[in-house]
Amino acid sequence: DSGVTQTPKHLITATGQRVTLRCSPRSGDLSVYWYQQSLDQGLQFLIQYYNGEERAKGNILERFSAQQFPDLHSELNLSSLELGDSALYFCASSVVGRRTDTQYFGPGTRLTVL
Amino acid sequence: AQKVTQAQTEISVVEKEDVTLDCVYETRDTTYYLFWYKQPPSGELVFLIRRNSFDEQNEISGRYSWNFQKSTSSFNFTITASQVVDSAVYFCALTEGLGGGSEKLVFGKGMKLTVNP
Repeated sequence: DSGVTQTPKHLITATGQRVTLRCSPRSGDLSVYWYQQSLDQGLQFLIQYYNGEERAKGNILERFSAQQFPDLHSELNLSSLELGDSALYFCASSVVGRRTDTQYFGPGTRLTVL
Repeated sequence: AQKVTQAQTEISVVEKEDVTLDCVYETRDTTYYLFWYKQPPSGELVFLIRRNSFDEQNEISGRYSWNFQKSTSSFNFTITASQVVDSAVYFCALTEGLGGGSEKLVFGKGMKLTVNP
């Protein structure tokens, strides 16, 4: 158990809908990362937050947004869902979000868009 | 941009065999970190090891060992006396700077290891 929690574990929804994925980092970690794992793209970095502020963006679609709250939990919002958004979404956390840190991953949320 | 190549996509072995998972990376950074993660059938990503670019010392942890060679840009992972519980997808990853001191992980495509009894 990495100490990173993600809810829900599974999510099934329809095209065009909007969903919210939730992540709680390990105790003491200030930085949260979101990654998407799909069959065709593999594991791809989406976005990073540090202590409530967005720090870096990767290949995140405009339909996707995220935020980190004062209690350090983070939410990833996916809207206007398409079939291709079906994937495993991981949250990871690290102490301060720098290269000296190790990113610890949560169990993931499996999103299925029908 | 950084790149991680795991040439083997799938390996099947019999229990107690040794198996080596290859990882080759490309980077222009002089300071970087390499990682191995394990993804068992249950789906979570489990951290196994981190190695920084200045430390080429090989590491052993139980049945696991890692061989880091900067000269060949490789960071290979060996499982000795494999067990059924080692069956998983293994990912090699490399840090990539995003500016402002921030980093992301660049992952290889993963290698699926099946250990048969």
